[in-house]
Amino acid sequence: AQKITQTQPGMFVQEKEAVTLDCTYDTSDPSYGLFWYKQPSSGEMIFLIYQGSYDQQNATEGRYSLNFQKARKSANLVISASQLGDSAMYFCAMREGTQYFGNEKLTFGTGTRLTIIP
Amino acid sequence: NAGVTQTPKFQVLKTGQSMTLQCAQDMNHEYMSWYRQDPGMGLRLIHYSVGAGITDQGEVPNGYNVSRSTTEDFPLRLLSAAPSQTSVYFCASSHHTYRADEKLFFGSGTQLSVL
Repeated sequence: AQKITQTQPGMFVQEKEAVTLDCTYDTSDPSYGLFWYKQPSSGEMIFLIYQGSYDQQNATEGRYSLNFQKARKSANLVISASQLGDSAMYFCAMREGTQYFGNEKLTFGTGTRLTIIP
Repeated sequence: NAGVTQTPKFQVLKTGQSMTLQCAQDMNHEYMSWYRQDPGMGLRLIHYSVGAGITDQGEVPNGYNVSRSTTEDFPLRLLSAAPSQTSVYFCASSHHTYRADEKLFFGSGTQLSVL
C-alpha cells in the first residue's frame, strides 16, 4: 500500500489565486512527521514546510500553510496568492517512528506538477 | 556554503559498465542517503547511512553498493549498469537526531542514462 498518496498529477492555476495540493498518508505509528518539498525545473529539492503528528496547530511558512487533518490522514499544502515562480513539482513526504533509532527515512509521494498561468 | 555536493551532474554509461556517484556534505551531518527519481514514481530510497561505518538498504537497493568511511562522503556505486538504472539520483543528508522536524538537505542531482 502507498504510504503517501498525491492524487493530482498536474494542476493549472491562475496567478494570484490560492491553490491546494492534496496529500494523504498511511501509517499506524503515532509519531511521524510530514514534509513538503518543491522541485522547480532546475531540479533541486527545496524544503517548504513541516508538520509533526503531535503539533496542535497547522504549520505556516510565509505563503505556505499546511492543512493538517489527522483523523483523515491528510496533509494538504496551501499556497496563497500564487506566483509564476511557484510553477514546479511538489512532493509530500513522511517520516515515521521518529522516536526510534534508524527511522529517519523519508517516504515520498509521486508528486504534483503545478503550473501557474499568467 | 557548499551544503551537499554531487558529482557528476550528467553521465552516460553503456550496459555493464560500472561507476561511482560521489556525494559530499560539509554540514557535519550524521545521516546521508541516496534516492532515485523516476517519472510517476516520486523519490525512492536506495541506501542510507546513520554514521561512518554504518549503512543500510532502502526500498530499491539492488544493483547498488554504498560505503561510509567518513562523515562527509557517501558514494554510490553501480556495479554493472543496466538500462533500468537510468534515472535522476539525489544524495541527501540531515543531522541524525531524534527531532521529528529534521529536514533533508539535497544535492543538485545526477542525471544518469544507461544505454
